[in-house]
Amino acid sequence: GENVEQHPSTLSVQEGDSAVIKCTYSDSASNYFPWYKQELGKRPQLIIDIRSNVGEKKDQRIAVTLNKTAKHFSLHITETQPEDSAVYFCAASKGTSYGGSQGNLIFGKGTKLSVKP
Amino acid sequence: GAGVSQTPSNKVTEKGKYVELRCDPISGHTALYWYRQSLGQGPEFLIYFQGTGAADDSGLPNDRFFAVRPEGSVSTLKIQRTERGDSAVYLCASSLSSSSYEQYFGPGTRLTVT
Repeated sequence: GENVEQHPSTLSVQEGDSAVIKCTYSDSASNYFPWYKQELGKRPQLIIDIRSNVGEKKDQRIAVTLNKTAKHFSLHITETQPEDSAVYFCAASKGTSYGGSQGNLIFGKGTKLSVKP
Repeated sequence: GAGVSQTPSNKVTEKGKYVELRCDPISGHTALYWYRQSLGQGPEFLIYFQGTGAADDSGLPNDRFFAVRPEGSVSTLKIQRTERGDSAVYLCASSLSSSSYEQYFGPGTRLTVT
């Protein structure tokens, strides 16, 4: 089955710096890669996602890149702010032949990001 | 609009007891997922419903775990003969349909088995 590895497990940056979190996946059939932000005691919140038909997607200060050949994808946060501090999870899922989702997400173990003011 | 809701937010039970956890998906979402999140880990898939039927229950750890969604909306996760190892946050997520990829999570139920 699919296996998602995420690095680093913890990341500390200075406010205003950039942060990069990397994930690798094992199943070449995976075609959907979301990123979730989870603050302590809160629900995971979808912040950005990418499908395998594109290599990069950007939304304001966050961007995700995907390398299908190498089976890895990364989250980039620029101009970090203290409110970006949280645990970030990457995930992967497979699609179906008719274009829908096959269902379950396989998550990485998470990266605890700390942004120091 | 209202997001995914889950009740109770916290549940403490004794080893061997039966518990039910409830999930209310976003209105109109036909796909519903249950995940379990242990401390310091990512969510782990349990079961996926499309409408009333379980489309994939391969993540249920054993036959003590069961889930239903009788009317295609609210779902209940049922755990029999609870064990201390069942302690975790149980998360529910919903998605617009089987052709949608985006999953939106509820706040979770923190289950503690003493």
